Amino acid sequence: AQRVTQPEKLLSVFKGAPVELKCNYSYSGSPELFWYVQYSRQRLQLLLRHISRESIKGFTADLNKGETSFHLKKPFAQEEDSAMYYCALSGDYKLSFGAGTTVTVRA
Amino acid sequence: DGGITQSPKYLFRKEGQNVTLSCEQNLNHDAMYWYRQDPGQGLRLIYYSQIVNDFQKGDIAEGYSVSREKKESFPLTVTSAQKNPTAFYLCASRSSVDTDTQYFGPGTRLTVL
Repeated sequence: AQRVTQPEKLLSVFKGAPVELKCNYSYSGSPELFWYVQYSRQRLQLLLRHISRESIKGFTADLNKGETSFHLKKPFAQEEDSAMYYCALSGDYKLSFGAGTTVTVRA
Repeated sequence: DGGITQSPKYLFRKEGQNVTLSCEQNLNHDAMYWYRQDPGQGLRLIYYSQIVNDFQKGDIAEGYSVSREKKESFPLTVTSAQKNPTAFYLCASRSSVDTDTQYFGPGTRLTVL
């Protein structure tokens, strides 16, 4: 069985402060992990995937197999980062999503 | 934003009635998915289809049914057996080439009165 856990439902930070969204997973196979984002009044969309090791909109995420984690980080949060963020794990032809974290960046 | 469309955006039904939510994609994607989004519970998979004329139950399939008669269409029926049908429903599709990324529709908010 595959499971994704996002322990924080809400996260509030000030503009310019670092932000870290936690994600832990359980999966017996080799995991493929993603972060999806949903901005207000927009569709859910892919933010980044671990396999590409890229930085998108200043966000990075490192897969730590030892800790079974895939935390999302940004050193300096911006107001436009306010959104709902979902961590997701791909396995068995389907994606399993965490419960999501709502991020609010305050001026 | 084209690609995947869901209709209607808002839907109201009386308790005990079946209702069908539409999902259409013109991305030529083989796989399609239905999720339910509830506050504090994230996205939960209802049904998915890897190919035309084939579909599998997801994690919360009870009270729902689907069909996949055409590649571009994957309608979801919420039956009267679904105990708590009021929710936001999201449809998604995925290419057989780029198997990592799912593309989502705008969603349908169903309210059962």
